[in-house]
Amino acid sequence: EAGVTQFPSHSVIEKGQTVTLRCDPISGHDNLYWYRRVMGKEIKFLLHFVKESKQDESGMPNNRFLAERTGGTYSTLKVQPAELEDSGVYFCASSHGEPPGLAGRDTQYFGPGTRLTVL
Amino acid sequence: AQSVTQLDSHVSVSEGTPVLLRCNYSSSYSPSLFWYVQHPNKGLQLLLKYTSAATLVKGINGFEAEFKKSETSFHLTKPSAHMSDAAEYFCVVGPMWGSARQLTFGSGTQLTVLP
Repeated sequence: EAGVTQFPSHSVIEKGQTVTLRCDPISGHDNLYWYRRVMGKEIKFLLHFVKESKQDESGMPNNRFLAERTGGTYSTLKVQPAELEDSGVYFCASSHGEPPGLAGRDTQYFGPGTRLTVL
Repeated sequence: AQSVTQLDSHVSVSEGTPVLLRCNYSSSYSPSLFWYVQHPNKGLQLLLKYTSAATLVKGINGFEAEFKKSETSFHLTKPSAHMSDAAEYFCVVGPMWGSARQLTFGSGTQLTVLP
């Protein structure tokens, strides 16, 4: 079974440009998550999709970030316009999805990440 | 609210000696707890998880962790380190119940294994 895949693995852009990151979850996983790690900081939650709906977007830093998951399959995360502080590693994860009473069993499987550098 | 503190940012051990990576958590409800590992240029891999069954959890590659509620700790151990264990390790807390699924990560511990 293929794991979570992310594209590109690296992206270098200039301040003010637009970048789109893509995540393909494990087949059959309804839940998809985005996290990021900026330099020297902890990995932080950005948002959570259940199928194509945004379940929780409390971690999105500002309106320059737009996440979509059309059709409930792959997801994209667009940063427009990119700023210097957006540099970091963006991780995607997916999980099968357990009911609320079994949330602790809903293991998230992570992709390799996209390293974004904004110059 | 929940938080995780990894007490050591760097740990160095000699090959064949025990590994101890320390983690304390804070949670307003019973948490689920995880250890993930990231090898260089690789993704985050799940080592083990605690979800309210046995307090001693065994994971992959000989690692284990013990949930101690009274100490709010979830330290990761391994009896004998291998060179291949060199990586960054993350202690993570998540919800045990409910619709929210966001994970809260510790700051990471870089493990170096010396020959």
